[in-house]
Amino acid sequence: ETAVFQTPNYHVTQVGNEVSFNCKQTLGHDTMYWYKQDSKKLLKIMFSYNNKQLIVNETVPRRFSPQSSDKAHLNLRIKSVEPEDSAVYLCASSTTGGTLYFGAGTRLSVL
Amino acid sequence: GDQVEQSPSALSLHEGTSSALRCNFTTTTRSVQWFRQNSRGSLINLFYLASGTKENGRLKSAFDSKELYSTLHIRDAQLEDSGTYFCAAGPRTGGYKVVFGSGTRLLVSP
Repeated sequence: ETAVFQTPNYHVTQVGNEVSFNCKQTLGHDTMYWYKQDSKKLLKIMFSYNNKQLIVNETVPRRFSPQSSDKAHLNLRIKSVEPEDSAVYLCASSTTGGTLYFGAGTRLSVL
Repeated sequence: GDQVEQSPSALSLHEGTSSALRCNFTTTTRSVQWFRQNSRGSLINLFYLASGTKENGRLKSAFDSKELYSTLHIRDAQLEDSGTYFCAAGPRTGGYKVVFGSGTRLLVSP
């Protein structure tokens, strides 16, 4: 049973638009992550939060910004999407240093 | 930076046969995780190891933290084992970064 919930499942938009993806976990974990999976299925970490604090911030364009209201929620905003942002965005959570549990992902298509 | 080298990139097996996947780590990692991604894109955790070996049914994983590698053995492969398998390293002590290998695409055929 999925305990990391992502919305939306799919999103199609045009270059330059702003999009937001939501992620919520009901596992009581204190760490949450955003990963980007490209067309070659490579999984690259973007951000990691621990107890609402940004811990890992990989080299991603500044148009990406994570937002965490509490340790159960980690959203991702893309201010002005580019074609190369088309990918699947995967949210995950874990205890500190523990097993990662993933959501089903949000597939973004930028036209 | 941290690197996880996963091999092979693709693997074809007939039902009933066995094989192993491998991940090499370029830096010390405290733990390794193995995942399977199915055709719908769901990533399911198979194993979490801080050391030694673990077994679950036809799957067995080992982690050698000194030699910096981990293996995933698939015994008596079944059609439903098809998918993409990922290993992931970390986080290192005090860290929060989990780095994934590039995946092994496994196809099991009759």
